[in-house]
Amino acid sequence: DAGVIQSPRHEVTEMGQEVTLRCKPISGHNSLFWYRQTMMRGLELLIYFNNNVPIDDSGMPEDRFSAKMPNASFSTLKIQPSEPRDSAVYFCASSLAGGAKWSYTFGSGTRLTVV
Amino acid sequence: TQLLEQSPQFLSIQEGENLTVYCNSSSVFSSLQWYRQEPGEGPVLLVTVVTGGEVKKLKRLTFQFGDARKDSSLHITAAQPGDTGLYLCAGVRVSGSRLTFGEGTQLTVNP
Repeated sequence: DAGVIQSPRHEVTEMGQEVTLRCKPISGHNSLFWYRQTMMRGLELLIYFNNNVPIDDSGMPEDRFSAKMPNASFSTLKIQPSEPRDSAVYFCASSLAGGAKWSYTFGSGTRLTVV
Repeated sequence: TQLLEQSPQFLSIQEGENLTVYCNSSSVFSSLQWYRQEPGEGPVLLVTVVTGGEVKKLKRLTFQFGDARKDSSLHITAAQPGDTGLYLCAGVRVSGSRLTFGEGTQLTVNP
């Protein structure tokens, strides 16, 4: 299994530009999560999907952030317009949901730098 | 205020020493997990504990879930440089459905 695949690994963009991060979850996993990691705030859950449906987006910072999951094998996180404070590592994780034994598999992350 | 408080935040020790990392909360969790994260990579799941008082061992690592299911600890025996990394605890609250992470403990094991 290739694991959770994220692209790109690194993204440098100018303030005001649109940024799209991509994620391919593990085949068969029915839950997908987007996290953001910074030194100051650690790992924060932005949004999660169950069976392609957004369940909880309360962690999305503001309207500049949006996420979609058009099918079971693909999700995007979009920031428009981007700001320097969005600089962070963004992780996608997938899981086979159910019960207390959630087991998350994380991708390698996208390091975003907004200048 | 963090739902899960980890201590210490940073730990630097010599190879061969023992150490314990703590994860505490005022909330009750249906499960707690420990992850290790290396630079440039995502967190990797080490263990899941679900029963109060449960102890799990993974080679030199021993994980314990508190009796009240509010806290957990990770003990490493005879630490090695390969144990260096960011150790994260994460839990699902009894009343919730989302996994929340602690801020992590950055462990450095010097040869």
